[in-house]
Amino acid sequence: SQTIHQWPATLVQPVGSPLSLECTVEGTSNPNLYWYRQAAGRGLQLLFYSVGIGQISSEVPQNLSASRPQDRQFILSSKKLLLSDSGFYLCAWTRYAGNTEAFFGQGTRLTVV
Amino acid sequence: AQSVTQLDSQVPVFEEAPVELRCNYSSSVSVYLFWYVQYPNQGLQLLLKYLSGSTLVESINGFEAEFNKSQTSFHLRKPSVHISDTAEYFCAVKTGNQFYFGTGTSLTVIP
Repeated sequence: SQTIHQWPATLVQPVGSPLSLECTVEGTSNPNLYWYRQAAGRGLQLLFYSVGIGQISSEVPQNLSASRPQDRQFILSSKKLLLSDSGFYLCAWTRYAGNTEAFFGQGTRLTVV
Repeated sequence: AQSVTQLDSQVPVFEEAPVELRCNYSSSVSVYLFWYVQYPNQGLQLLLKYLSGSTLVESINGFEAEFNKSQTSFHLRKPSVHISDTAEYFCAVKTGNQFYFGTGTSLTVIP
């Protein structure tokens, strides 16, 4: 069966510090991968998605970036965090073919102080 | 781009009463529809989905949703809610490789 791992679960970082959130998927090949941010009362905002290694599409311009160094690994990064980067970050994957649902990780609660 | 509207941000309902959470989307061209549930500080879990076929889809815990193409709606219903149904519910539309989510409805079941 397929599983998705996302870590860390919680993170408190000072303004201006770097960020690295990691997401890995097991039990499938060539998944589509997604990073979402969920702000309180505002639903899910798609940040990045990837259909293959090294292929990243950015939906919203900001100081975040994403990378996909391996088929089942998706990393969200920032060189310098802003207060507005606080939120709940969710990684998700879908199968490469077919219109199936997205499977979500457990999320990372990021607080920038 | 698609837009998904969940008209009710908060829905309080008494235990064992029926509930409907509303969802409308902007385009009915080749869309696939989903409802997800989120418990505090957790990821989203799939509740049910419409891909094709029967327009009425059901979940294992008593929820159902009906795809209405003419009204571009996918409302979620349950005839009798339980305390354990208290959670955030998200409607989502998939077009191509992208998912578009509504802003969520917080369902609170009152004992």
